[in-house]
Amino acid sequence: AQRVTQPEKLLSVFKGAPVELKCNYSYSGSPELFWYVQYSRQRLQLLLRHISRESIKGFTADLNKGETSFHLKKPFAQEEDSAMYYCALSSYSGGGADGLTFGKGTHLIIQP
Amino acid sequence: DTGVSQDPRHKITKRGQNVTFRCDPISEHNRLYWYRQTLGQGPEFLTYFQNEAQLEKSRLLSDRFSAERPKGSFSTLEIQRTEQGDSAMYLCASSLGGAGANVLTFGAGSRLTVL
Repeated sequence: AQRVTQPEKLLSVFKGAPVELKCNYSYSGSPELFWYVQYSRQRLQLLLRHISRESIKGFTADLNKGETSFHLKKPFAQEEDSAMYYCALSSYSGGGADGLTFGKGTHLIIQP
Repeated sequence: DTGVSQDPRHKITKRGQNVTFRCDPISEHNRLYWYRQTLGQGPEFLTYFQNEAQLEKSRLLSDRFSAERPKGSFSTLEIQRTEQGDSAMYLCASSLGGAGANVLTFGAGSRLTVL
């Protein structure tokens, strides 16, 4: 069975400091990984997906199959980055039929 | 199109009652998903539709839960004989097929409280 683990429930960093939100997964096949974000009083929304290999709002994430990780990073945190972040996995690419498996989420707080 | 709409936003019911939630997806999205989220947890997959066909159901979806998408547009999720453990946020999401299948647009959710 596939599983997504986000070891930190809460992460607090100061503005301007680097941020790394950890995500580890277990899946025997070839996964597709995502980061979804939920800002205060807003809906859950896609932040980025590993196949896009792009930076969104300064965030990047690299899929490391050897370590089965997909950590989210940003070199300089901003106060508007404060939000709930969820790592998610799909066991299919381009037509998944099983929905996404989400981690429990990490609450990121950026202190001024 | 204002995105994914869910109704009602909040529902308080007594144990044993039936409840129904409605989801209106983005019109051009052919996939529709239902998730459940409880406090401190990430969203848990319940079921999904491609057009009007229900293609996948999680083991979390007991016999008391039923979902429909009769014309491939809006969907309903009904919970019969509610239990206190059903209290949760029920999230609906929609997506395109193909390469966009896992790029989900979520609704605001329907929060259920079972007394």
